[in-house]
Amino acid sequence: AIQMTQSPSSLSASVGDRVTITCRASQGIRNDLGWYQQKPGKAPKLLIYSASTLQSGVPSRFSGSGSGTDFTLTISSLQPEDFATYYCLHDYNYPYSFGQGTKLEIK
Amino acid sequence: EVQLVESGGGLVQPGGSLRLSCAASGFTVSSHYMYWVRQAPGKGLEWVSVIYGGGTTYYADSVKGRFTVSRDTSKNTLYLQMTTLRVDDTAVYYCARDLQRPSDYWGQGTLVSVSS
Repeated sequence: AIQMTQSPSSLSASVGDRVTITCRASQGIRNDLGWYQQKPGKAPKLLIYSASTLQSGVPSRFSGSGSGTDFTLTISSLQPEDFATYYCLHDYNYPYSFGQGTKLEIK
Repeated sequence: EVQLVESGGGLVQPGGSLRLSCAASGFTVSSHYMYWVRQAPGKGLEWVSVIYGGGTTYYADSVKGRFTVSRDTSKNTLYLQMTTLRVDDTAVYYCARDLQRPSDYWGQGTLVSVSS
């Protein structure tokens, strides 16, 4: 099974900051990776799929990049509503697996 | 309007069984890839299972042989039959449609607690 290693596990940042979260796959997964945002008590929300395609309705300050084993999620200018936990997920083959999550907190 | 509503969660003893339901509206379950994802209290997300439109299923290693995903097209409902439950199966269980596709959609989740 493919393992997804996400870093950092937590991150403190301020409104307006640019932040980057990374995910590394234990083997090549082409661009079969997405990013989810989850707020407490809520279901995850899809932000990015196929490594770099922005889901409809998601603000353009979110972007994704990468291919093969290394991927990044970038938020260009943090807004108050962006403080949440972020997960990567590979859908290259079964079983799918999520990264461990990155909790983005207000500095 | 698309909706997914999970039910069937609750408290069960280790070794017991439980069946979760996910009632869909606004679309046809058998026309989409339908998933179960779980989240233990205070922990991260874990992919559990998928059922294709044609009925093919896949499972996480942690639940293989104990959990079975199915659907009832007449009720437009997805199910997760869970047997031989363990304490570490305690989690909120979400059903979801078409993970990581433009038509990605999640339910609100149902809590399963396994404890003696």
